[in-house]
Amino acid sequence: GAVVSQHPSRVICKSGTSVKIECRSLDFQATTMFWYRQFPKQSLMLMATSNEGSKATYEQGVEKDKFLINHASLTLSTLTVTSAHPEDSSFYICSARQLLWEEKLFFGSGTQLSVL
Amino acid sequence: AQKVTQAQTEISVVEKEDVTLDCVYETRDTTYYLFWYKQPPSGELVFLIRRNSFDEQNEISGRYSWNFQKSTSSFNFTITASQVVDSAVYFCALSLNSGYSTLTFGKGTMLLVSP
Repeated sequence: GAVVSQHPSRVICKSGTSVKIECRSLDFQATTMFWYRQFPKQSLMLMATSNEGSKATYEQGVEKDKFLINHASLTLSTLTVTSAHPEDSSFYICSARQLLWEEKLFFGSGTQLSVL
Repeated sequence: AQKVTQAQTEISVVEKEDVTLDCVYETRDTTYYLFWYKQPPSGELVFLIRRNSFDEQNEISGRYSWNFQKSTSSFNFTITASQVVDSAVYFCALSLNSGYSTLTFGKGTMLLVSP
């Protein structure tokens, strides 16, 4: 079964509204989660690294005020797309890093965001 | 900077055919990890393999096999006797050291296996 739950799987919103996407690690604590953006037939591009209890680290070119990331607990990170515009329409996918005897990375099933 | 190239955008095969997905990478670091992930239509990425730069042994796991050649900076993935359930987008990725935070993905290869 899935070890990372991402919700919602699909969202349609009007331009100017904000959308929140949740990423939960199931059955394990994830001090680090990652948020990616994927355009059709393109690669996954890392947007930011979310660390529990501290500010997220954003990749170059990603607007931190537009893509708000909150990692308030060891099992939950949220990505809020603020004042969404049509160009923000994309597939967003999160991943959570599990650190036990070896490091593993588990991905969520993604969120398709469509901004009208 | 790291780069991963998957030159094949889309491959179509008929069930039971063997298929090889190519991956070529670029990095100046001597320590790195290579990955393959599968992305089925449901969206989530499924981990297939991680190989470090010091281990050039080929690996076989069931119908899957991987050929790592540092001389050509390639990490190719072969599916033997393909099945319809293998239809997905396959991503090759590279990270420095062991950190997943530095994952650089290729653009992916869409594999379509028809009955």
